[in-house]
Amino acid sequence: SQQGEEDPQALSIQEGENATMNCSYKTSINNLQWYRQNSGRGLVHLILIRSNEREKHSGRLRVTLDTSKKSSSLLITASRAADTASYFCATDASGTYKYIFGTGTRLKVLA
Amino acid sequence: NAGVTQTPKFQVLKTGQSMTLQCAQDMNHNSMYWYRQDPGMGLRLIYYSASEGTTDKGEVPNGYNVSRLNKREFSLRLESAAPSQTSVYFCASKATLSGNTIYFGEGSWLTVV
Repeated sequence: SQQGEEDPQALSIQEGENATMNCSYKTSINNLQWYRQNSGRGLVHLILIRSNEREKHSGRLRVTLDTSKKSSSLLITASRAADTASYFCATDASGTYKYIFGTGTRLKVLA
Repeated sequence: NAGVTQTPKFQVLKTGQSMTLQCAQDMNHNSMYWYRQDPGMGLRLIYYSASEGTTDKGEVPNGYNVSRLNKREFSLRLESAAPSQTSVYFCASKATLSGNTIYFGEGSWLTVV
């Protein structure tokens, strides 16, 4: 089964609200990355957090990592309609070169 | 700035036909990947190549073969296409063994009828 599982599967919020999505994984990792996918397009990298980091910020994005719980969260603050997309976490199991993606969270931001 | 280029973008195959999806990257990356994405689903790893000359199975390798032709190119072959292989296929590449961004192509839409 997949390394990462996101929840919720779908999220609908109003513009200006914060959006939080979670990712759980199963094995030890070197790092965890979050990606965004607009409908019908390839994935675009958002942010990377290493296994020895607990929190990272990039603009309106805040990522946390709890290796003891094997989970991560992505927070998008002050969301905009343009943030409407699917968001995926990806992990590389320690000792491998494989990157496994989760099932994704479909975010819809209503103007 | 081409990045990762996949061809073809769209293809319709009949059951049993074969085809090869081509992928090339111009970023001098060592690692390359092939994923498939079914409607409303996440990406599943088919095969990957950690470096030129090596390939390894991912989560769903059955029905596929790959070739890492050189450092730039990584092709995915369907020997005998099945309707279950109808999907969007993404090629990706990454610079180093760990900790670097994965860059994706724009996808290849494959329909097997």
